[in-house]
Amino acid sequence: DIQMTQSPSSVSASVGDRVTITCRASQGISSWLAWYQQKPGKAPKLLIYAASSLQSGVPSRFSGSGSGTDFTLTISSLQPEDFATYYCQQANSFLYTFGQGTKLEIK
Amino acid sequence: QVQLQESGPGLVKPSQTLSLTCTVSGGSISSGSYYWSWIRQPAGKGLEWIGRIYTSGSTNYNPSLKSRVTISVDTSKNQFSLKLSSVTAADTAVYYCASVDSWGFVDYWGQGTLVTVSS
Repeated sequence: DIQMTQSPSSVSASVGDRVTITCRASQGISSWLAWYQQKPGKAPKLLIYAASSLQSGVPSRFSGSGSGTDFTLTISSLQPEDFATYYCQQANSFLYTFGQGTKLEIK
Repeated sequence: QVQLQESGPGLVKPSQTLSLTCTVSGGSISSGSYYWSWIRQPAGKGLEWIGRIYTSGSTNYNPSLKSRVTISVDTSKNQFSLKLSSVTAADTAVYYCASVDSWGFVDYWGQGTLVTVSS
């Protein structure tokens, strides 16, 4: 299995801050990586696919980068609706695996 | 836009079989553009991919669950289903059905359904 490790596990930030979340794969996955946002009691929502492509309808303050084993999700200016848990997911092998999640909390 | 809706019992007894169905609307399950998948999430924990099925009927399962999982598709009803046998309390989770694009990314999710394993 390809293991996905996110850091940090949680982060506190304020509205307007720039936040970066990282995801590391246990082996190279090229650009086969997605980022999801999940709010309490809701299904995850696709934000970024293929490491850096913005899903339709997702605000441009979200961006993704990286390839191989190291990836980042950046939120350029936090908005109140961005406080949620974020997951990365690799699609390099059909045994899709997710990171453990990063909870973004209001400072 | 594709919409997915899970249905099935919310309570299953230990050692029995969990059965869920996902109804797809807004698109044909036979379109060939997607893999149809099941993903679960125990309370307060992360996401675990269970398996996927293509419209041809070919399947891939998480090896950790493979001996207990069956995913099937009914194109006439625009539905796909999950069966998980010999359940234990560890299988208690919110179960999501989802569509996975050809690259492997989950673009549409059901709302999720909580299944509790308890006697």
